[in-house]
Amino acid sequence: KAGVTQTPRYLIKTRGQQVTLSCSPISGHRSVSWYQQTPGQGLQFLFEYFSETQRNKGNFPGRFSGRQFSNSRSEMNVSTLELGDSALYLCASSLTGADYGYTFGSGTRLTVV
Amino acid sequence: AQSVTQPDIHITVSEGASLELRCNYSYGATPYLFWYVQSPGQGLQLLLKYFSGDTLVQGIKGFEAEFKRSQSSFNLRKPSVHWSDAAEYFCAVGAGPSNDYKLSFGAGTTVTVRA
Repeated sequence: KAGVTQTPRYLIKTRGQQVTLSCSPISGHRSVSWYQQTPGQGLQFLFEYFSETQRNKGNFPGRFSGRQFSNSRSEMNVSTLELGDSALYLCASSLTGADYGYTFGSGTRLTVV
Repeated sequence: AQSVTQPDIHITVSEGASLELRCNYSYGATPYLFWYVQSPGQGLQLLLKYFSGDTLVQGIKGFEAEFKRSQSSFNLRKPSVHWSDAAEYFCAVGAGPSNDYKLSFGAGTTVTVRA
């Protein structure tokens, strides 16, 4: 079966712009999580959604937001981009949540210039 | 809150030699534990997971891990390393309804394989 699909794979944006990243989970998976990966901070949890409801949010500013649709697809949005937002953004899906284990996508590499 | 420590930032091993990567966790209840591997520019691939039962867990690519509750450890092992095992390895602890539905990752261990 198809894995977790993230689009786009690469993105270059200018400071102050906003960006939307997309994630299509494995069919049947209802939990979708987002992580930010940087060399300095490692893998940091952004938020988790289950059946269109956000169940948890990490320690990121309000510029980072997300949503999940009825078909479990998810988007995350970053407004007013800063240079420090340059990172690999990873989406992961699971049947139920972290207690079941997550399958990760290949990520979206965001570069802010 | 859960946390994970991977004491070794970088390990170099010869091809054909054995490999052991250390992972220590902090969690109040029975943890859900995972090992992931990441190749440069790629996402994370699940190697194995522990939920309960047998404390020795077999994974893909010839990897295994042993859960030791008394030591709060979940070390990853491979008897004979191949050049393709060069990558970054992450240990993670997962939490369900009582702890925020998230994975907490260690900082990762980079494995270099020399010929």
